[in-house]
Amino acid sequence: DGGITQSPKYLFRKEGQNVTLSCEQNLNHDAMYWYRQDPGQGLRLIYYSQIVNDFQKGDIAEGYSVSREKKESFPLTVTSAQKNPTAFYLCASSMGGFGAVNQPQHFGDGTRLSIL
Amino acid sequence: QKEVEQDPGPLSVPEGAIVSLNCTYSNSAFQYFMWYRQYSRKGPELLMYTYSSGNKEDGRFTAQVDKSSKYISLFIRDSQPSDSATYLCAMSADQGAQKLVFGQGTRLTINP
Repeated sequence: DGGITQSPKYLFRKEGQNVTLSCEQNLNHDAMYWYRQDPGQGLRLIYYSQIVNDFQKGDIAEGYSVSREKKESFPLTVTSAQKNPTAFYLCASSMGGFGAVNQPQHFGDGTRLSIL
Repeated sequence: QKEVEQDPGPLSVPEGAIVSLNCTYSNSAFQYFMWYRQYSRKGPELLMYTYSSGNKEDGRFTAQVDKSSKYISLFIRDSQPSDSATYLCAMSADQGAQKLVFGQGTRLTINP
């Protein structure tokens, strides 16, 4: 089955610790995204990547880092600089790379991160 | 003022009712409009995807876009308990629909 796999489903972070959230897709999509969802605030874009070895900051990139070494993988690191990391993190992908038209995003089932 | 406004609800209706979910927006450059359904502890699932003004129907779901009023709607006919979820509107100005702006989501409950 083609899809987007996020792991782990639940993650706990200690103060001062970096944690990495995994996102893998087997849809052969060029573009991948990370969003943060907080209650009552919808989804906010953290980072996105249109192609391997390239990524762009979204609206709330501070305290986060990403890499895109492979087409199918887009891990997100929540660093100790992110002072309020408790949220539901969603990864998405779409066919669109540069110049793509009408390519909706499809989502994984998320990772819930909490502070210990 | 947020770029996209969506009534967070909660909205509770009896089974079989027609449900109307709405979003307003302020950016006239938006031209791609989406509705996602999100069940508890799951990722959003794409329901409808429309371009510019007009209506689009898919089974019990109809998406309506009025660009002149900056207003979009999702109608659900013959609502079922399985439709109980949070519904998110999303929209984009770029042709790749890559930079999405989401509404806050409306929590909907269909009562048997």
